[in-house]
Amino acid sequence: DAEITQSPRHKITETGRQVTLACHQTWNHNNMFWYRQDLGHGLRLIHYSYGVHDTNKGEVSDGYSVSRSNTEDLPLTLESAASSQTSVYFCASSDSWGSSYEQYFGPGTRLTVT
Amino acid sequence: GDSVTQMEGPVTLSEEAFLTINCTYTATGYPSLFWYVQYPGEGLQLLLKATKADDKGSNKGFEATYRKETTSFHLEKGSVQVSDSAVYFCALLSSNTGKLIFGQGTTLQVKP
Repeated sequence: DAEITQSPRHKITETGRQVTLACHQTWNHNNMFWYRQDLGHGLRLIHYSYGVHDTNKGEVSDGYSVSRSNTEDLPLTLESAASSQTSVYFCASSDSWGSSYEQYFGPGTRLTVT
Repeated sequence: GDSVTQMEGPVTLSEEAFLTINCTYTATGYPSLFWYVQYPGEGLQLLLKATKADDKGSNKGFEATYRKETTSFHLEKGSVQVSDSAVYFCALLSSNTGKLIFGQGTTLQVKP
């Protein structure tokens, strides 16, 4: 069965370190998204991609970067981790545009920056 | 810009009680509306959706009707179960940007 996976599921890192969170989908979807989930804010869009070599900034992109070298993967990098980036991170993918499209979510990565 | 507002939680109900979670939105154009559910320790799953005014989305006993006149998409279920305990997110797909915009989420706890 097709799926979307994230790794690691839990990560503790120190302020200033570079961290990369992996996202891999086997749906063969063109669109991929990264969100962060914080209490009281719901999910906020960090970066997104509509295809290989395409990346775009979302609502809260400062301090994060992504690259898309193939259809299946969209890794999220925190260039220099800050305590404000402690959060739960979700990756999602979707197939198409239009009013009927659905985003499929991964299980999430809980990141703690100490 | 486009936005979604949900009622604050947590909502605590007894099993078999009636559930309403309010959701209102602000948007230009004609957004599609969604309810997602997040069970403990998991990612979000699509619960139901509606793509135009007066559409009713339904799934697993949950329903929501797209009300353009009141800009609302309230989630209802006639008889909740303990297994419905989760966080529920209302979201809209902006017709301008193509992005999903989420409400802040409402935690539902159902007690036996």
